[in-house]
Amino acid sequence: NAGVTQTPKFQVLKTGQSMTLQCAQDMNHNSMYWYRQDPGMGLRLIYYSASEGTTDKGEVPNGYNVSRLNKREFSLRLESAAPSQTSVYFCASSEGLRQLYGYTFGSGTRLTVV
Amino acid sequence: QKEVEQNSGPLSVPEGAIASLNCTYSDRGSQSFFWYRQYSGKSPELIMFIYSNGDKEDGRFTAQLNKASQYVSLLIRDSQPSDSATYLCAVTTGGYNKLIFGAGTRLAVHP
Repeated sequence: NAGVTQTPKFQVLKTGQSMTLQCAQDMNHNSMYWYRQDPGMGLRLIYYSASEGTTDKGEVPNGYNVSRLNKREFSLRLESAAPSQTSVYFCASSEGLRQLYGYTFGSGTRLTVV
Repeated sequence: QKEVEQNSGPLSVPEGAIASLNCTYSDRGSQSFFWYRQYSGKSPELIMFIYSNGDKEDGRFTAQLNKASQYVSLLIRDSQPSDSATYLCAVTTGGYNKLIFGAGTRLAVHP
């Protein structure tokens, strides 16, 4: 099925460990995004990539890094995980700058940092 | 800080009634407006988008936009128990290529 694929779906990390969340889309979209979702706070933008070769910080970038590997793939890295990074992470993609059709979301990664 | 505000709910309506969900936003430059539905434990899915002032209808859903009042709403007619979910309002900001989301309104449709 066409869409946005995220791996892994679940992950438990110990404080200080690192990990990379993977995201790939097969819709030939130009823009990709990483959001986190916490209870009562909605979706908050971590980083985004408006087009291949560019990345920019969103609302809550501290503690994260990203790589736009190619047009299809956009990864999110936690270098030293903290309990405050326990959240559900969603990757999304869109056609491009004008947001005519909104985002398509992946199924999410549920991350727990202990 | 650009914001999108929604009543968290829960909004409880009987089956067959009209559910009215509301959203206000702070960025007067916002151009595009979206409603997403999110079932518990699932990812958001797009159900409506609107760009111009007025109403836009799609099946049982109607989106309403008033840019002067910075207000967007979603009406769900003939509500069904399967409509029970959290509804997220999202607006564009920062030159179109980013969406800001509200925290969502939880809708419960009871038989």
